[in-house]
Amino acid sequence: NAGVTQTPKFRVLKTGQSMTLLCAQDMNHEYMYWYRQDPGMGLRLIHYSVGEGTTAKGEVPDGYNVSRLKKQNFLLGLESAAPSQTSVYFCASSYETVLTFGAGSRLTVL
Amino acid sequence: DQQVKQNSPSLSVQEGRISILNCDYTNSMFDYFLWYKKYPAEGPTFLISISSIKDKNEDGRFTVFLNKSAKHLSLHIVPSQPGDSAVYFCAASARNTGNQFYFGTGTSLTVIP
Repeated sequence: NAGVTQTPKFRVLKTGQSMTLLCAQDMNHEYMYWYRQDPGMGLRLIHYSVGEGTTAKGEVPDGYNVSRLKKQNFLLGLESAAPSQTSVYFCASSYETVLTFGAGSRLTVL
Repeated sequence: DQQVKQNSPSLSVQEGRISILNCDYTNSMFDYFLWYKKYPAEGPTFLISISSIKDKNEDGRFTVFLNKSAKHLSLHIVPSQPGDSAVYFCAASARNTGNQFYFGTGTSLTVIP
């Protein structure tokens, strides 16, 4: 039982490049989330999904897009990366009340 | 504006003593609260939770207290162990408004052997 798996674990981008972070969960959870963690800022919600085919904005959605084409996958896209998007990104899923997190993806934008 | 606040960025405690981590929230609609523990280079892991219908929940060495009138919760760890050294995040959700979870900024706990 892998839980929540994020790929890639590390990535370095140049300003303006695009990329996609993939999150996969094998727990049949309806809800999935993308957070970013920055020093002194805690975990901030970027986007989330309450089920296959649905997405919604969180606290800091600007500059990101998401898709939930399959229940088990939640993709986070950066169309034109900016240095302000340098962060550690965490995906999480939940059935109702408890979030299960992935190990994180560290993204650096130069 | 931060809806969940942890005002102490760090805390040091002697092994065997009690660790008390505090968390405040502003949104009165929050009805479920959680604590997560995070080690470096790992994802946060669930520790303990409490519903707003309770004021206390215990799980082994960990106890969470909720004071709804003060919009305050705390995590007590007794006795503290060196393996408890980690960053602790509190989180809150309002389950009837989309299942969003809001996190505090975290408190880094160091347990000194």
